[in-house]
Amino acid sequence: GAVVSQHPSRVICKSGTSVKIECRSLDFQATTMFWYRQFPKKSLMLMATSNEGSKATYEQGVEKDKFLINHASLTLSTLTVTSAHPEDSSFYICSANKQGTEAFFGQGTRLTVV
Amino acid sequence: GQQLNQSPQSMFIQEGEDVSMNCTSSSIFNTWLWYKQEPGEGPVLLIALYKAGELTSNGRLTAQFGITRKDSFLNISASIPSDVGIYFCAGQRATGANNLFFGTGTRLTVIP
Repeated sequence: GAVVSQHPSRVICKSGTSVKIECRSLDFQATTMFWYRQFPKKSLMLMATSNEGSKATYEQGVEKDKFLINHASLTLSTLTVTSAHPEDSSFYICSANKQGTEAFFGQGTRLTVV
Repeated sequence: GQQLNQSPQSMFIQEGEDVSMNCTSSSIFNTWLWYKQEPGEGPVLLIALYKAGELTSNGRLTAQFGITRKDSFLNISASIPSDVGIYFCAGQRATGANNLFFGTGTRLTVIP
């Protein structure tokens, strides 16, 4: 099946620094990728839709200047958490749809801001 | 945003027992998906349903797309310890669309 790879799987950073998370579709091209956030014992919450070659579409309540998304190629989208604070600590997951199929998810990135 | 209600919230069962969980929505979806998530991992697709009334199996898993298109259930037969995890339903209005809405999740614990 389609493979979506996310990197890193875990990251610990200091408060005030920025962290970049990568999402790659390994065996297909994805013009659209999605970024989710998941709090402990909660469901996935869609943060934004990443569009190749154009601006991302953010869900209501998600700060676009805080969570910078870049989709520079058909196989790579990046999410940068800028000036991270402890409340940004969470599990971030990306997904991509192989054309005409369902969403495949990355392995997730556990971000801890200390 | 749209949230799907999933029940039960958690289940503790003995190995070998059958499991049933369901998902309901106030609005219609054209595709229902069931995912399993293990700790520290992303969700993995288990079953996809595309037509109202459709019943689909994947090994010991069986899922049905409700006739009203507002609900779906997932059954797991003869549970084994590796079935442990969180099961999420998800509704999609069109395949490939970004409007994938997740259920609240069912946490399954299987006691050997």
